[in-house]
Amino acid sequence: EIVMTQSPATLSMSPGERATLSCRASQSVSTKLAWFQQKPGQPPRLLIYGASTRATGIPARFSGSGSGTEFTLSISSLQSEDFAVFYCQQYNNWPYTFGQGTKLEI
Amino acid sequence: QVQLLQSGAEVKKPGASMKVSCKASGYSITGYYLHWVRQAPGQGLEWMGWINPNNGGPNYAQKFQGRVTMTSDTSITTIYMELSRLRSDDTAVYYCAKGRSRYEIWETFDIWGQGTMVTVSS
Repeated sequence: EIVMTQSPATLSMSPGERATLSCRASQSVSTKLAWFQQKPGQPPRLLIYGASTRATGIPARFSGSGSGTEFTLSISSLQSEDFAVFYCQQYNNWPYTFGQGTKLEI
Repeated sequence: QVQLLQSGAEVKKPGASMKVSCKASGYSITGYYLHWVRQAPGQGLEWMGWINPNNGGPNYAQKFQGRVTMTSDTSITTIYMELSRLRSDDTAVYYCAKGRSRYEIWETFDIWGQGTMVTVSS
């Protein structure tokens, strides 16, 4: 199974700052990499798929990059509603696997 | 709009079985794989498997083989996930989620159900 490792576990930022979250795969997943945002009591929300394509309705301040084993999610100017837990997911191999999450806190 | 509506919370005893339903609306259920993902309290996300509503064919994560059964009833646009021989570490929120692209297995999930909390406790 492909292990997804996210860093850092917690990221403390202020509104208006730029946040960078990392995700590493234990073997290549090509660009079959997604990012999700999850707020307490809610299901995950798809932000990015194909490593770099924003999902429908996702603001342009969210961007994804990378391929193979190294991926990054960037949030250009943090808004108050952005603070949540973020997960990466690979869907190149079974079982689909998720990272352990990065908590983005104020 | 596209929605997945799940059944309500359940409390089960160890050794029992659970069955969660997920009703799809707003799109053609037979075109997209539907997945089950669970999340233990305070923990991350764990993929359990998918079902192809078009032919009812499932694919389960090895971890759950022998304990999980995923089925579909396209006449009522509903899928089901049954987990047997429950243990305390099966306590989790169970989500159904829709594959993003039509007929594509290797795809992520664009729409999620609201989640069903299942508590396993004696």
